[in-house]
Amino acid sequence: EDQVTQSPEALRLQEGESSSLNCSYTVSGLRGLFWYRQDPGKGPEFLFTLYSAGEEKEKERLKATLTKKESFLHITAPKPEDSATYLCAVAFNNNDMRFGAGTRLTVKP
Amino acid sequence: SAVISQKPSRDICQRGTSLTIQCQVDSQVTMMFWYRQQPGQSLTLIATANQGSEATYESGFVIDKFPISRPNLTFSTLTVSNMSPEDSSIYLCSGGMGNTEAFFGQGTRLTVV
Repeated sequence: EDQVTQSPEALRLQEGESSSLNCSYTVSGLRGLFWYRQDPGKGPEFLFTLYSAGEEKEKERLKATLTKKESFLHITAPKPEDSATYLCAVAFNNNDMRFGAGTRLTVKP
Repeated sequence: SAVISQKPSRDICQRGTSLTIQCQVDSQVTMMFWYRQQPGQSLTLIATANQGSEATYESGFVIDKFPISRPNLTFSTLTVSNMSPEDSSIYLCSGGMGNTEAFFGQGTRLTVV
């Protein structure tokens, strides 16, 4: 069964405390893995796309990596404004796309 | 990147009525998706809408309840028909080109009373 699983469900960090979010997937015919940030009351905001194992993308304090089974979103020295829900999604086969349940990140000052 | 304008942003509707949600993209996209998101939950795909063909619905969603139109490559509508309080949710549209990133509208917060 095609699945996308994110962990942890919720993560509380102190400002400056680096950590990683995980997105594991079991799909056939991976076409791309996407990371999104979603703030309350808003639609998801695109962050990164990863297409193949070994690929890495960076943006400010965020870095996304991809293996054949999972992706990590590394957050370095987070700030309170990084607090949000982070969603990963996987595109596979022709038109299929599945979202994980998300990780709710809270960064305390 | 594409910008997607979704409207209405929110509505309060009487049970038994229908609401049509519109999404306009500022560029042509091959695929448009419609999602439902309960508060604090992730996104559940309702259907995929490609221009010129019937929408493809996910398990648990049917065309009679959620008819979709996709008249061109920049526009789509989702109708929530014969609404009940259980339909209260946030509805989101997104557009993409297949295996590239999909961009989202800001969502429609629907409350059925």
